[in-house]
Amino acid sequence: DAEITQSPRHKITETGRQVTLACHQTWNHNNMFWYRQDLGHGLRLIHYSYGVQDTNKGEVSDGYSVSRSNTEDLPLTLESAASSQTSVYFCASSESRLGGTDTQYFGPGTRLTVL
Amino acid sequence: SQQGEEDPQALSIQEGENATMNCSYKTSINNLQWYRQNSGRGLVHLILIRSNEREKHSGRLRVTLDTSKKSSSLLITASRAADTASYFCATDAWNAGNMLTFGGGTRLMVKP
Repeated sequence: DAEITQSPRHKITETGRQVTLACHQTWNHNNMFWYRQDLGHGLRLIHYSYGVQDTNKGEVSDGYSVSRSNTEDLPLTLESAASSQTSVYFCASSESRLGGTDTQYFGPGTRLTVL
Repeated sequence: SQQGEEDPQALSIQEGENATMNCSYKTSINNLQWYRQNSGRGLVHLILIRSNEREKHSGRLRVTLDTSKKSSSLLITASRAADTASYFCATDAWNAGNMLTFGGGTRLMVKP
């Protein structure tokens, strides 16, 4: 069965370190998204990609970067981790549609703690 | 900023009762979706309603959409303890490509 996986599931790091969170999907979806979820803010979009070599900034992109070298993977990098980036991170994917988006399929999440 | 805002933020009911959650949004949309999130898990899609639809059913779920009021409601009938979760509405604005904007969610607790 197709799925979307994230690794690691839990990560503790120190301020200033570079951290990369992995996201891998086997749906063969063109669209991939990274969100962070914090109490009181729901899900906020960090970065998204509509296909290989395409990346775009979302609502809260400062301090994060992504790259898309193939269809299956969209790793999220925190260049220099800050305590404000302590959060739960979700990756999602969807098919490309004209005239409206399709269902998004979510990974299980990565809980990141920055000390 | 959030396009969708859910109301109430939290809801506690007894098993067997109906649960109603509301979502309001700000701009014109292509469609509106509802997702469920169990504690510690990712979001799971429940139902999608398009802007030209007014009501949609899926099992014990009933979703309505009023584009004139920019609002939607999710009704879960005959609730079960397993329905305990957070519920999010997500909107697909007509000029936002394939992106969704999520509301802050409603935390539903169904007591056995």
